[in-house]
Amino acid sequence: NAGVTQTPKFQVLKTGQSMTLQCAQDMNHEYMSWYRQDPGMGLRLIHYSVGAGITDQGEVPNGYNVSRSTTEDFPLRLLSAAPSQTSVYFCASRSELATDTQYFGPGTRLTVL
Amino acid sequence: KQEVTQIPAALSVPEGENLVLNCSFTDSAIYNLQWFRQDPGKGLTSLLLIQSSQREQTSGRLNASLDKSSGRSTLYIAASQPGDSATYLCAVRNTDKLIFGTGTRLQVFP
Repeated sequence: NAGVTQTPKFQVLKTGQSMTLQCAQDMNHEYMSWYRQDPGMGLRLIHYSVGAGITDQGEVPNGYNVSRSTTEDFPLRLLSAAPSQTSVYFCASRSELATDTQYFGPGTRLTVL
Repeated sequence: KQEVTQIPAALSVPEGENLVLNCSFTDSAIYNLQWFRQDPGKGLTSLLLIQSSQREQTSGRLNASLDKSSGRSTLYIAASQPGDSATYLCAVRNTDKLIFGTGTRLQVFP
């Protein structure tokens, strides 16, 4: 199993550009989520999904869009990048079992100039 | 709204010491609590998961306890080693969401 994979590892954007951060998991997990990590603020939930076709907002959803057309993939779209979106983005997944832990991808470091 | 706090924010100890990291949360209606480790520039690795009905979990030199009624958890690391140097994060699960603390940055020096 590859676990949770994310691409790209690094990305530099100019203000106003759009892009998609890719996330995939091969563990057949129902739950997937996106977090951003900023110094001094910990990880904050952006969007999450409890299954294909179902998504919901987290704590900081503005400026981001998600969709879940398959169990495996959960892309995060930045509609019009802003410097405030400079951060490290993590994708995570887990099964529906209450006993299951959360598995994290390696992260994408995004810089918006 | 659930809030998770970790104290201390940073800790530097000599090798061999036993140490305790603290995590507190404001809403006791949780499904579980997890402790993660994060190395610089890397993702998060799960260390221990405690269900809301459990009091503690152990893995090797790590022991995590949970007191749900008081909204507290501790991570005990026995006989610390330089390889334990990392940031330790606790997170509580409310329904479908995982809420994180800001972490404790640990440095163990030889």
